[in-house]
Amino acid sequence: DAGVIQSPRHEVTEMGQEVTLRCKPISGHDYLFWYRQTMMRGLELLIYFNNNVPIDDSGMPEDRFSAKMPNASFSTLKIQPSEPRDSAVYFCASNNGGSNQPQHFGDGTRLSIL
Amino acid sequence: GNSVTQMEGPVTLSEEAFLTINCTYTATGYPSLFWYVQYPGEGLQLLLKATKADDKGSNKGFEATYRKETTSFHLEKGSVQVSDSAVYFCACSGGSYIPTFGRGTSLIVHP
Repeated sequence: DAGVIQSPRHEVTEMGQEVTLRCKPISGHDYLFWYRQTMMRGLELLIYFNNNVPIDDSGMPEDRFSAKMPNASFSTLKIQPSEPRDSAVYFCASNNGGSNQPQHFGDGTRLSIL
Repeated sequence: GNSVTQMEGPVTLSEEAFLTINCTYTATGYPSLFWYVQYPGEGLQLLLKATKADDKGSNKGFEATYRKETTSFHLEKGSVQVSDSAVYFCACSGGSYIPTFGRGTSLIVHP
């Protein structure tokens, strides 16, 4: 079975540029989550969707961050303009909801903003 | 809200040593508890879970028992291997569908 697929795996760009991260969840999963992982803060939940609708975006750090889920098989996380402090590993995860359901993570996008 | 506290790492062991990584949680009601493992360059993957008190989750030689009286879910393995070197995350999910993760504990196993 295909897992959660993220692209690109690595992104290096200059400060001020727009960055778009992509995620394809596992087919049939109705919850999708975006996380950011850094040494300083650990794993932070940015936003999550249920049936393509954003439910809680309180973890999005600033207005420079936005996320969309136009259909059940695709989501994007966009940063515009990017800043060096946005450098981190960004993960997408999906599951079927329910507190006893584990999350399935992609392998992440390692983002470096110069 | 929920919270998870796990021991700080790194934990450094020799191959075949016994492993314990402590995890305690704070949550209302009866949360589900999880251990995830993250290998270098990869995402988190489920290692084991338990959904009610006194349940024992187990996988790949790892075990953890849901202790409601001590609000704990400690991870154990009787004999670690070099390939077990990774970061381990404890997580708690209750009251909502959104899990709360601990900060992660790095395990380094030497030959």
